[in-house]
Amino acid sequence: QVQLEESGGGVGQPGSSLRLSCVASGFTFSRHPMHWVRQAPGKGLQCVAVISFDGRNKFYADSVKGRFTVSRDDSKDTLSLQMNSLREDDSAVYFCARFSSSLAALDLWGQGTRVTVSS
Amino acid sequence: EIVLTQSPGTLSLSPGERVTLSCRASQRVSTPYLAWYQQKLGRAPRLLIYGTSSRATGTPDRFSGSGSGTDFTLSISRLEPEDFAVYYCQQYGNAPFTFGGGTRVEIK
Repeated sequence: QVQLEESGGGVGQPGSSLRLSCVASGFTFSRHPMHWVRQAPGKGLQCVAVISFDGRNKFYADSVKGRFTVSRDDSKDTLSLQMNSLREDDSAVYFCARFSSSLAALDLWGQGTRVTVSS
Repeated sequence: EIVLTQSPGTLSLSPGERVTLSCRASQRVSTPYLAWYQQKLGRAPRLLIYGTSSRATGTPDRFSGSGSGTDFTLSISRLEPEDFAVYYCQQYGNAPFTFGGGTRVEIK
């Protein structure tokens, strides 16, 4: 079954760290750039991190640059997002999504994992 | 950064009606790099349209996309009950890969 499954969300205090994981199955993970997209409660979508298919190129939204690190382990078909120095405005549902280069679009999404940052 | 502005913010419509959603970019977006997503409450977004006008696998043909330059449109020819959702446009022309703020299509 072709799917993405996120885990690692939870509750943390401002300044704390969390690590999100996204396990891919049913397709060749190593061929695809991958995105992390977040959605704050009642708000729209924001692309926060992108990693190229080979892991060499990474992009971060300004709001998370220097605090978040995206990585991939193709041997485990796993995408990760290390989130440090968390702030209350990082509270959101975090989705991982597969980028299709042929479509130039995110054609497969996980169900999301919720991160809540609160004192 | 390319800013995508979607309008209207909310549409209240009845099943069977035709709807047109707008996505306006602050800079030119190449047509291969404009996509539309549908999101239902509590669910992940789903790709509807890619390359401005190509339907993704599983997208009914009542959905169509068009546009060029800075103005793009998603149309639904005849609203079905399952179409009431939030719709987002997204551009891949330039990083950051921005989304529009969304248009909510709700039942009147």
